[in-house]
Amino acid sequence: EIVLTQSPGTLCLSPGERATLSCRASQSVDSSHLVWYQQKSGQAPRLLIYGASSRATGTPDRFSGSGSGTDFTLIISRVEPEDLAVYYCQQHDLPGYMFGQGTKLEIK
Amino acid sequence: VQQVQSGAGVKKPGDSVKVSCKASGYTFTDYNIQWVRQAPGQGLEWMGIIWPRSGNTKYARKFQGRVSVTMDTSTSTVYMELSSLRSEDTAVYYCAREPLTSYYFDYWGQGTLVTVSS
Repeated sequence: EIVLTQSPGTLCLSPGERATLSCRASQSVDSSHLVWYQQKSGQAPRLLIYGASSRATGTPDRFSGSGSGTDFTLIISRVEPEDLAVYYCQQHDLPGYMFGQGTKLEIK
Repeated sequence: VQQVQSGAGVKKPGDSVKVSCKASGYTFTDYNIQWVRQAPGQGLEWMGIIWPRSGNTKYARKFQGRVSVTMDTSTSTVYMELSSLRSEDTAVYYCAREPLTSYYFDYWGQGTLVTVSS
């Protein structure tokens, strides 16, 4: 079973700064199966990025995903106050689906 | 597109709970339905999937033997039943839609809080 480890646990940035969120897999992952979600407080998760780098409908272009193999990254080019949320990566392999533990983005 | 889930509930340890997820706004059999839960203050945990075209299911190893996902195609509703509840099962349970063979969940239900308490 592939385990996803996200870092950092918490990220605290000012509006306009760049956010770099990491998702590391314990084994190589098919990048077409790597997904990022955003979850705001009290809400269901929302699909942000699929296939490691494709933005979902409605995802602002300040969000971008990249990576391959075991290392994947979500970048928010210029953080906005509305980006306050927890971000989860997810992958799929034979046993099923697995989520990382999440990175909490706080806005100064 | 909507995935509307049943309301919150309180259960006792040892009970079972059945959460429903009614889909609308799209062709029900064109999408898989996933179940994900989130304990208070914790992350997301995948529970299982149903493929509406076949009715086949697959469950996370952790829940095998205790979870059952079923569907009623006539009402476009999927059900998730979890048995032998314990306090650790207190969580918000989400259904989510997955386009066939896409490996991502593009629409989520609003979540159903299940509280297990004596």
